[in-house]
Formats: sequence, structure tokens, C-alpha cells
Amino acid sequence: SQQGEEDPQALSIQEGENATMNCSYKTSINNLQWYRQNSGRGLVHLILIRSNEREKHSGRLRVTLDTSKKSSSLLITASRAADTASYFCATDAETSGSRLTFGEGTQLTVNP
Amino acid sequence: KAGVTQTPRYLIKTRGQQVTLSCSPISGHRSVSWYQQTPGQGLQFLFEYFSETQRNKGNFPGRFSGRQFSNSRSEMNVSTLELGDSALYLCASRMLTRETSGPTDTQYFGPGTRLTVL
Repeated sequence: SQQGEEDPQALSIQEGENATMNCSYKTSINNLQWYRQNSGRGLVHLILIRSNEREKHSGRLRVTLDTSKKSSSLLITASRAADTASYFCATDAETSGSRLTFGEGTQLTVNP
Repeated sequence: KAGVTQTPRYLIKTRGQQVTLSCSPISGHRSVSWYQQTPGQGLQFLFEYFSETQRNKGNFPGRFSGRQFSNSRSEMNVSTLELGDSALYLCASRMLTRETSGPTDTQYFGPGTRLTVL
């Protein structure tokens, strides 16, 4: 079963705008990771945030983690058409023995 | 460094057959995990291997099995294929080290094997 729920399921924006995706999860975690997937291909790792971290940046990506609310958000700034993809959050739960549990994903479309 | 590689990339089988998929992890990575992705169930964990031993298993029937070799390469096998086994099968590798804050190893995914069962 999916631990995470992602919101929104689909997001369509114009190039240059910011995109925000949210992820909620149910159990205590060691870390949370965000991945990107283009058209049913492999997953590309974007960023990992540990349970004792609150915010992390990588280039145009900003991830926040609120363990009290069991939620995370991924912000992509100044989006580009090449950012069009599905984005997944994945949690590494304390009790899951390092398996990743994925959310359902957000389909992001960036229109040129 | 070369990334995770999976072979074959595409496969078509018929019900009742069996299939073997292969995964070569990133050099130096000793842990390999397998995931199944379908439109209905999303991404689901199958199993993880480390040092040729299965260390974690998801909720899949016994028709799904795997193994890992001494060079960390891994194979997964699905016997008696069913239509519902049609999916993208993804392999991920990680170094598997432990830091003081807990396991934080990033899992790197391969391009996947697209299995179609007719």
C-alpha cells in the first residue's frame, strides 16, 4: 500500500513559473526522497532530506520537511519545459527496513 | 561512474511463461532492490538483496523471486506469468552505509524493464 499521498495529482504551469508539490505520509521516517520520472522511464533521484532536517536546496529545487505534520513539499523555481515529468516522494520508514514507500506522484506539465 | 543498468529493456511474454530480469548496480554498491510499477498500484517494493542475501521482502506471491551474485549483480524471476504482471520493473542500488542519524543512503534507479504479458 502507498504510504504517501501527493497533492496535486496533476499540475500545469507556464515556463518561468514556480511549481509546488506536496507529499504526506503516515509513519515515522528516517528520510524522504524526491524522484522524477519521464514518460514511464527510470526514476531520477532529485534530493534526499533527513528526518532531522527541515529544509534543503539543490539548484532550482527546494524541499521542506515537517515531521510533526508528516508532510513534505517540493518547490521547483523558474520551471522549464524540460521539467515536465512525474514527481514522486518516497519515504524510508523507521520500521520498514530501508524499503522505499512511494506516493502516487504528481504529473507536472510545463508549457512553453 | 556508470549508472544502474537493466536488461532487457523490453520483454513480451505469454501467460504461464517465466521471465528473468537482470540488474547491474553502480560500481561499489552492494545493495540492490527491485520495484514494480503499474498504473493501478503505483510503485511497489519487491525485495532487497545485500551480500547475496535477501534482507527485505515486499508483499508479492512466491512466483516472484530474486538472487544476487558475488559481484552484486542481481536477477529477479517471475514464474507462471499472469496478465497482471505486466509492469515496469525497476532496479535500484545503493552503497549501504550507516551514519549516526540513521540509514540515509540514496537509492539510484535503473531505466527499468518493461514487461508485457499477453
